[in-house]
Amino acid sequence: KAGVTQTPRYLIKTRGQQVTLSCSPISGHRSVSWYQQTPGQGLQFLFEYFSETQRNKGNFPGRFSGRQFSNSRSEMNVSTLELGDSALYLCASSLGSEYNEQFFGPGTRLTVL
Amino acid sequence: SQQGEEDPQALSIQEGENATMNCSYKTSINNLQWYRQNSGRGLVHLILIRSNEREKHSGRLRVTLDTSKKSSSLLITASRAADTASYFCATDAGGTYKYIFGTGTRLKVLA
Repeated sequence: KAGVTQTPRYLIKTRGQQVTLSCSPISGHRSVSWYQQTPGQGLQFLFEYFSETQRNKGNFPGRFSGRQFSNSRSEMNVSTLELGDSALYLCASSLGSEYNEQFFGPGTRLTVL
Repeated sequence: SQQGEEDPQALSIQEGENATMNCSYKTSINNLQWYRQNSGRGLVHLILIRSNEREKHSGRLRVTLDTSKKSSSLLITASRAADTASYFCATDAGGTYKYIFGTGTRLKVLA
């Protein structure tokens, strides 16, 4: 079974631009969560989607948004990029119940110049 | 602040020794998960322990959970150089599908 895939793996943008990251979950998984990882703040939860509905979100500004498609693939978008948005963005997929393990993708390394 | 806090922050041991790392959290949980991360790559799932379980094993890994103390520990027995990584605990904050990660323990196993 193929694992979680994320594209692109690396991205360089400049301040003020916007970016879209993509995540394809494990086949059969209906939940996708997104996390931001930085050296200073560690791993922080962005949002979680299940069957195209956002079930929970973290404490991030509205510049961070996401969506999930009917095939469970998910995208997250960051608008008006700031230097502090430079981070490793990880997505994780699971079957979607509270007792299911999350499986992570390799991440997208975003650098904002 | 993050719900999970691991200690120690860093641990250095010799190959063959056991490594123990601890995680504390703040609110009620449905489950707690442990993950490993190598050099800023994706996280690898190690073990999930439910709130009504006290201990769980997987190969050389042993996880305990004490809900009265809101703490968990991960024991890696007979460590290998390949175990060198950062280890994180994550809690589900009471079934909200919102996982809160700890600050992580950086483990270095010396050959």
